[in-house]
Amino acid sequence: GESVGLHLPTLSVQEGDNSIINCAYSNSASDYFIWYKQESGKGPQFIIDIRSNMDKRQGQRVTVLLNKTVKHLSLQIAATQPGDSAVYFCAEKRYNQGGKLIFGQGTELSVKP
Amino acid sequence: EAGVAQSPRYKIIEKRQSVAFWCNPISGHATLYWYQQILGQGPKLLIQFQNNGVVDDSQLPKDRFSAERLKGVDSTLKIQPAKLEDSAVYLCASSPGSGNQPQHFGDGTRLSIL
Repeated sequence: GESVGLHLPTLSVQEGDNSIINCAYSNSASDYFIWYKQESGKGPQFIIDIRSNMDKRQGQRVTVLLNKTVKHLSLQIAATQPGDSAVYFCAEKRYNQGGKLIFGQGTELSVKP
Repeated sequence: EAGVAQSPRYKIIEKRQSVAFWCNPISGHATLYWYQQILGQGPKLLIQFQNNGVVDDSQLPKDRFSAERLKGVDSTLKIQPAKLEDSAVYLCASSPGSGNQPQHFGDGTRLSIL
């Protein structure tokens, strides 16, 4: 079936290094994607979004890349900090399912000091 | 800007009991969502409201779950009777509309069924 999924369930990086979190999606009808960060005991926090008419979008220390050809989304975090440790979810908006937001399973990012 | 408020933060009940969760969205947000997040998984949409009308409740187990947003602002989600598999975090989110806009989440209610 169709799904939004993440390639790696866990990612461990050294403080100061760059992090890359990947996401694969299978629904070609999706045209809006969001990355969320979820810390323990809290709700998902919006990080950055991207529409399908773009292939790159930058925020503060974060960059999202979208490759529609291979249906792949990535989140890059520059100079990763201990405060970046959390679970990261990608989500896609499926217009052939009433605009429902579908979340992947998540990648846990652990930052080593 | 105040975020999405949810209460209670935690709830423990026995199976077959009933429980209700409350959500106050961000002021001015017309669209409100309830999600269920089982441990280790991403959130799953249960129901979406646009003002006080239901837009999508296709994944809401209607034999036991109900939700309302009578005045188009606050919302309540109820489970009656609860089952063991309902143990999860129930998240509320809101957005200005239903278009390509990020949804903003509250911190959820963690429900444990004994």
